[in-house]
Amino acid sequence: DIQMTQSPSSLSASVGDRVTITCQASQDITNFLNWYQQKPGRAPKLLIYDASNLETGVPSRFSGSGSGTDFTFTISSLQPEDIATYYCQQYDDLVTFGPGTKVDIK
Amino acid sequence: DVQLLESGGGLVQPGGSLRLSCAASGFSFSNYAMGWVRQAPGKGLEWVSAISGSGGSTYYADSVKGRFIISRDTSKNTLYLQMNSLRAEDTAVYYCARSTTMVLYYFDYWGQGTLVTVSS
Repeated sequence: DIQMTQSPSSLSASVGDRVTITCQASQDITNFLNWYQQKPGRAPKLLIYDASNLETGVPSRFSGSGSGTDFTFTISSLQPEDIATYYCQQYDDLVTFGPGTKVDIK
Repeated sequence: DVQLLESGGGLVQPGGSLRLSCAASGFSFSNYAMGWVRQAPGKGLEWVSAISGSGGSTYYADSVKGRFIISRDTSKNTLYLQMNSLRAEDTAVYYCARSTTMVLYYFDYWGQGTLVTVSS
């Protein structure tokens, strides 16, 4: 089984800050990695697929990069509406979600 | 517009069974793989199961293999999850989600979720 880890588990940042979340897979998953945003009480929303491809309609301040075992998700300029928990998800071997990173406004 | 509407959740005793349904609309249902993802109260997302567009291929997380069965009825545009031998740790909001032509890929549309509570 492929295990996914994320860091940090939570963070607080100011509006306008650059925010970076990392996701690590327990084995090489090439670029089989997606990122989701989940706001409280809501269903998850796909933001990034195949590690770096922005889903249609998602603001360009969101981006992803990485390959192999190490991946990064970035919000270039944090906005109040970005308060949410962010999850990575691998699909190289079945499907596994990371534990999530909760993002708050400082 | 793509819509996914889950139903069938509720309170069930340990060892009991429940069948969840997900009514799909706004897209060609048979052309897309579908899946179920759950979220225990206050916890993260856990993938449960997925099924190909034809229904011929199914996949399960180890935690539910042998107890849950995923299926679909193309004539009704509906996805199902039959849950048997339920345990307290199955308590969660269950989301149905649309994938792509690939069964195990990303989920681009999600339902609002249905809560399953396993308790005596």
